Amino acid sequence: AQSVTQLGSHVSVSEGALVLLRCNYSSSVPPYLFWYVQYPNQGLQLLLKYTTGATLVKGINGFEAEFKKSETSFHLTKPSAHMSDAAEYFCAVGLNNQGGKLIFGQGTELSVKP
Amino acid sequence: NAGVMQNPRHLVRRRGQEARLRCSPMKGHSHVYWYRQLPEEGLKFMVYLQKENIIDESGMPKERFSAEFPKEGPSILRIQQVVRGDSAAYFCASSTNSYEQYFGPGTRLTVT
Repeated sequence: AQSVTQLGSHVSVSEGALVLLRCNYSSSVPPYLFWYVQYPNQGLQLLLKYTTGATLVKGINGFEAEFKKSETSFHLTKPSAHMSDAAEYFCAVGLNNQGGKLIFGQGTELSVKP
Repeated sequence: NAGVMQNPRHLVRRRGQEARLRCSPMKGHSHVYWYRQLPEEGLKFMVYLQKENIIDESGMPKERFSAEFPKEGPSILRIQQVVRGDSAAYFCASSTNSYEQYFGPGTRLTVT
């Protein structure tokens, strides 16, 4: 069965520090990969996606992620954290043999300290 | 272009009542998905619909839950005879293709 694992349910960084949120997936077919951000009591906003092509993907708000097939990973990074980055982040995988269904990780809450 | 609309944003129901959650997809989007988010958990897929068709309902509980996306009007997720375990945030997403999904703000259902 396909699954997504996000290592660390809570990550805390200082403002200006590197943000690294980890995501690993299991899939028997080439996946489509996504990162979403959720602010309190709001819906999910798409940060970035990987479908095909270049494995380093740039998204909104300075975030980027790299698809590494050999490691089955899609970690999210940002060089310098901002206070406004504090939110819940979800990694998701879509499989082209299962229609549009997305499988989500359990989420990582990012805290940014001043 | 308005985003995905969901209403109500908050819904309180007593055990045994019915809950109806509505989702209006973005203009031009014909694919609708429903997900449920339990407290402290990620989103879990429930159902995928296109106009007048259920494409994938593999995540729907077998009883009490149903979904529709009629030719006209919003998609409806219906929960009959709600129980406390149904308390959750229910999110709707829409897309033009099957992969880039845009999410609504969610409906937070509380069962008392």
